[in-house]
Amino acid sequence: GQNIDQPTEMTATEGAIVQINCTYQTSGFNGLFWYQQHAGEAPTFLSYNVLDGLEEKGRFSSFLSRSKGYSYLLLKELQMKDSASYLCAVHNNAGNMLTFGGGTRLMVKP
Amino acid sequence: EAQVTQNPRYLITVTGKKLTVTCSQNMNHEYMSWYRQDPGLGLRQIYYSMNVEVTDKGDVPEGYKVSRKEKRNFPLILESPSPNQTSLYFCASSYQGYQPQHFGDGTRLSIL
Repeated sequence: GQNIDQPTEMTATEGAIVQINCTYQTSGFNGLFWYQQHAGEAPTFLSYNVLDGLEEKGRFSSFLSRSKGYSYLLLKELQMKDSASYLCAVHNNAGNMLTFGGGTRLMVKP
Repeated sequence: EAQVTQNPRYLITVTGKKLTVTCSQNMNHEYMSWYRQDPGLGLRQIYYSMNVEVTDKGDVPEGYKVSRKEKRNFPLILESPSPNQTSLYFCASSYQGYQPQHFGDGTRLSIL
């Protein structure tokens, strides 16, 4: 089976930097996704890591360490519109399944 | 416009009355999937399909059926709905399972 953990809630200040962690235990790891989901809306794709290291995409970066079963999403220059849930998901190549963590609800305050 | 379309968006029904939630994508994606989202539990995969006539169980398949007769459509069937299937359902698609998924807008089901 798979187990994915991420904090339930985080609060940060507008303009600041926040790091959202995700740890996982899985067999047949084939990549890790981060999705953003605003309240009442569908998830939207943010990033994908399959190899170790940092992937940067504008204000958002995602890091992966396969040996540690660990990833983080880094959001810089926070804006109010970044208030959303951030979902970590692991792709398992054994069955082509995608398993999501419970999501981290980020609240950005002025 | 590339999209995943789910219908209905909202449905209130009663226990035992068969229902189908349709899902259609216009991106020629091979991989399609159904999820349910419940407070505190996140998104959980119900069923997925890697291609036409190929479907597999996800983490929570009990009480659900799917079919993939055409590449673009992947309906979710609840033969005998029960109150514990009250949830927010999302359909998603991608070219392959290891690629980013496009999600539909969701279907909120209430089973009384």
